[in-house]
Amino acid sequence: EPEVTQTPSHQVTQMGQEVILRCVPISNHLYFYWYRQILGQKVEFLVSFYNNEISEKSEIFDDQFSVERPDGSNFTLKIRSTKLEDSAMYFCASTRRQYGTDTQYFGPGTRLTVL
Amino acid sequence: DQQVKQNSPSLSVQEGRISILNCDYTNSMFDYFLWYKKYPAEGPTFLISISSIKDKNEDGRFTVFLNKSAKHLSLHIVPSQPGDSAVYFCAASAERSTGNQFYFGTGTSLTVIP
Repeated sequence: EPEVTQTPSHQVTQMGQEVILRCVPISNHLYFYWYRQILGQKVEFLVSFYNNEISEKSEIFDDQFSVERPDGSNFTLKIRSTKLEDSAMYFCASTRRQYGTDTQYFGPGTRLTVL
Repeated sequence: DQQVKQNSPSLSVQEGRISILNCDYTNSMFDYFLWYKKYPAEGPTFLISISSIKDKNEDGRFTVFLNKSAKHLSLHIVPSQPGDSAVYFCAASAERSTGNQFYFGTGTSLTVIP
């Protein structure tokens, strides 16, 4: 069964450093998402992406964050200058269609630890 | 701004009994609801969904009930099995033209005791 994959599984970085989290969505999916979950808290939407553009972003997704699809398979989340409060699990998700009735398939997540 | 709430952080149930997980939402624009199951160190896995045009959806041992007037949904698992022990997230969305945002609850950790 196709699945969303994410690398690395765990990333440790120093405050102020840039990190890039990588995701490979399911191959025939067209809509891509990033979520994060701070330990013990809810899963929070960051951004959605379609046709090489951001479709929607939350207030969490400020100028420190960016996303891109550098090739036909990868979908990346970049944090330019990490802060301690960026420590969280970051989940990538994808769907085939844009409508709310389509299920999002999640990757296993990348645990980001900012020291 | 918690648009989706799961007020019970944890639930323990004996194997074979029914597990009932609850979820409340505040946004009347939500028209699609999902339950996800999450094991430690894994991403959320889709379990079951319901559209706002229905009030019940069943899939094997899992049934989701939607009460639109109360803005409440629940997930019933019967019979509960030890493998069901996980964190369950309720999520909601509103159909939009692009880029659906799913709003998640904080999760309920279910423990099924053998």
